Amino acid sequence: GNSVTQMEGPVTLSEEAFLTINCTYTATGYPSLFWYVQYPGEGLQLLLKATKADDKGSNKGFEATYRKETTSFHLEKGSVQVSDSAVYFCALSEGSGGYNKLIFGAGTRLAVHP
Amino acid sequence: EPEVTQTPSHQVTQMGQEVILRCVPISNHLYFYWYRQILGQKVEFLVSFYNNEISEKSEIFDDQFSVERPDGSNFTLKIRSTKLEDSAMYFCASSYGTNEQFFGPGTRLTVL
Repeated sequence: GNSVTQMEGPVTLSEEAFLTINCTYTATGYPSLFWYVQYPGEGLQLLLKATKADDKGSNKGFEATYRKETTSFHLEKGSVQVSDSAVYFCALSEGSGGYNKLIFGAGTRLAVHP
Repeated sequence: EPEVTQTPSHQVTQMGQEVILRCVPISNHLYFYWYRQILGQKVEFLVSFYNNEISEKSEIFDDQFSVERPDGSNFTLKIRSTKLEDSAMYFCASSYGTNEQFFGPGTRLTVL
């Protein structure tokens, strides 16, 4: 079945460092890909998405490009802030028509220190 | 901005008791979902619901679980006889059918 694999955390960075969180997927067909973020004590928020190959999703300085050839959707940010400390989940959508269930990776905890 | 809401935020129950978790999806959304996240683990799909019936359910969603949309606004998850291993954060989500699912803040269920 479809699956998502993320790099294990925690990832610990200093403020203004460059961030990469790796995500690869296994899927039949062409799923949409997502990054969700979970701040401490809160629910899941959509960070960005890409719906087809070579699409780049971006939001709040974060970017990820849908790479079909490497089945990857790595999350990057050029300069992280303490407020970016959270758990980041890569996900793909599986389904047809309007209904799509999400398959999540295990999550990567990011801790940014001043 | 419209949002998905869930109540209660935290539910504590005794093993074997029934619980009902409530969600109010975004009002014009058509597809509804429940996911759960056991502490420290990945978010797992439980069930999807459309047009007043289940579209798909996972192997976790056994006969102890049921979902209902009783009044056109609420979307509920019932666990008939809770087990210790049902302790988790339960997230409700809704979508209009455009892939993008909007999640509620979650209900933390603790089974003692």
